[in-house]
Amino acid sequence: AQRVTQPEKLLSVFKGAPVELKCNYSYSGSPELFWYVQYSRQRLQLLLRHISRESIKGFTADLNKGETSFHLKKPFAQEEDSAMYYCALLVLNDYKLSFGAGTTVTVRA
Amino acid sequence: GAVVSQHPSWVICKSGTSVKIECRSLDFQATTMFWYRQFPKQSLMLMATSNEGSKATYEQGVEKDKFLINHASLTLSTLTVTSAHPEDSSFYICSARVAGRWNIQYFGAGTRLSVL
Repeated sequence: AQRVTQPEKLLSVFKGAPVELKCNYSYSGSPELFWYVQYSRQRLQLLLRHISRESIKGFTADLNKGETSFHLKKPFAQEEDSAMYYCALLVLNDYKLSFGAGTTVTVRA
Repeated sequence: GAVVSQHPSWVICKSGTSVKIECRSLDFQATTMFWYRQFPKQSLMLMATSNEGSKATYEQGVEKDKFLINHASLTLSTLTVTSAHPEDSSFYICSARVAGRWNIQYFGAGTRLSVL
């Protein structure tokens, strides 16, 4: 069975500092990974997906199959980045998303 | 972008009553819709997968007679919590997937259910 692990429940950084959210996965198939973000009182929304290899709001994430990781990084955190972040793995045969436990990021001024 | 509307956003009901939650894809046809449950400060737990015109597939441990799912059209899925009890109080979230759109799921804003 697939599993997504986000080891940090809470992450606090100062504005302008780098931030990295860890995500590790286990899956027997070819992984398709996503980062979703949930801002306060808003719905869950897609931040980025590994297939697109793009940078969204300054965030990037690289899939490392050797380390089975998909860490999310931003070099200079902003206060508006304060939110809950979920790493998710798509199970391809039935298109279900398996979510990690989530990491709450607080960016302090 | 694709918009998923979920209604109601908040419902309070008495123990023993049934509550229906609607999930609509507003500007696209959803191949598949998913229903999740989220406890406070916890992750989303998938309850069931709903495909239009067929029976929902429930995850292990989810009572299908308790949580009735109907996917009547490509834009509407409903979740009915039957004979609700206080332990059913939770945040219920739906999502919709469009076939071919890079396997992205679009999420509704969620429904907070409080059973008294």
